[in-house]
Amino acid sequence: SQQGEEDPQALSIQEGENATMNCSYKTSINNLQWYRQNSGRGLVHLILIRSNEREKHSGRLRVTLDTSKKSSSLLITASRAADTASYFCATENYGGSQGNLIFGKGTKLSVKP
Amino acid sequence: DGGITQSPKYLFRKEGQNVTLSCEQNLNHDAMYWYRQDPGQGLRLIYYSQIVNDFQKGDIAEGYSVSREKKESFPLTVTSAQKNPTAFYLCASSFRSWAGTEAFFGQGTRLTVV
Repeated sequence: SQQGEEDPQALSIQEGENATMNCSYKTSINNLQWYRQNSGRGLVHLILIRSNEREKHSGRLRVTLDTSKKSSSLLITASRAADTASYFCATENYGGSQGNLIFGKGTKLSVKP
Repeated sequence: DGGITQSPKYLFRKEGQNVTLSCEQNLNHDAMYWYRQDPGQGLRLIYYSQIVNDFQKGDIAEGYSVSREKKESFPLTVTSAQKNPTAFYLCASSFRSWAGTEAFFGQGTRLTVV
């Protein structure tokens, strides 16, 4: 079962612009995580936000979480060509199978130099 | 140099053949996971294990089997019962499966049926 749903499916921007990706989910969560995947490679963890947090920053990344709307957003500021990748949200569900991370289908980001 | 290693990177399987994908981690993580990734489908959970000698089915376990005899190792066997095994397989591990910690991924194995 796919829990998270990212929006948009694909995003193309110019270097220096900001990129915003959204994730919606269906059930109560313990935490929500964002991962990045370069083409043909494994995923790399970017940031984790717990259900009692509303906003978190890490470098050029800003994540928000709205549990009332069951949604999260990932903002990448001042994007670079090297940010080109697919971005996935993953939820660890409250009361669900322990440690079962459920991933969305991802947003494919293309940053043009 | 700590990490999670998957091998081989590319694997070709003939019809009716079982193949085993290797996943090894030296991060001292308790939990390990296998995901399958198809184009446009995101990641789907096949099996996961929270502790040695214990594992649970994920959403798409049919046609797959696993073992967890050692903490460091979580091999995945794709059996002949899996009718559409061509996909990108990702192994991951995390320190404590119930603590909300990040998952570390291997670089993946691309399996193709020939």
